Amino acid sequence: TQLLEQSPQFLSIQEGENLTVYCNSSSVFSSLQWYRQEPGEGPVLLVTVVTGGEVKKLKRLTFQFGDARKDSSLHITAAQPGDTGLYLCAGVVRAGGTSYGKLTFGQGTILTVHP
Amino acid sequence: GAVVSQHPSRVICKSGTSVKIECRSLDFQATTMFWYRQFPKKSLMLMATSNEGSKATYEQGVEKDKFLINHASLTLSTLTVTSAHPEDSSFYICSARRAGHSNQPQHFGDGTRLSIL
Repeated sequence: TQLLEQSPQFLSIQEGENLTVYCNSSSVFSSLQWYRQEPGEGPVLLVTVVTGGEVKKLKRLTFQFGDARKDSSLHITAAQPGDTGLYLCAGVVRAGGTSYGKLTFGQGTILTVHP
Repeated sequence: GAVVSQHPSRVICKSGTSVKIECRSLDFQATTMFWYRQFPKKSLMLMATSNEGSKATYEQGVEKDKFLINHASLTLSTLTVTSAHPEDSSFYICSARRAGHSNQPQHFGDGTRLSIL
């Protein structure tokens, strides 16, 4: 059972199109991060959302955290070939104990933007 | 910004060899570091949580004796793949989190491509 469901897993679009990637869970997250990863490299942090209902913008990227802190979305406007990569959502489950704040990752979305 | 250095970036070795991978936080102290494994076009899979000065916490299904983790200082954790075999070939990635609240984001190294012949 996947704790954090990310969709779609593959997305192939033309330059200029808009897209949205979703991450959903039945668990509450104390924080959620979005990363972008290119082949042969480590994930690079794009944003961290902490507050339910929070919206953050990073140029053409808009990130939302659900009111209940169980889901999040990444929306890209006017996608460009440079946006191509693996996008990963990851959250820290809101729980006590010795979880050390470990991240739970979604399955990832491979985005390809064609010129 | 926070920088995590992982070394080596690529290793090719014969079956039966033990391989050590280093993960360093360059400009911050990290009481906790994480080790992940990633298969092609797949997401990251947590292997273990490395805690400075104490034993690592392994995820279910990860062999402790196969993947030895040492976190001897606040800036260095090492993963040793012992007696590596072809099925251990993968992309291994470490991350480090600044000492403090668990909501601090993790910063990732650039990964190590391990190929066992």
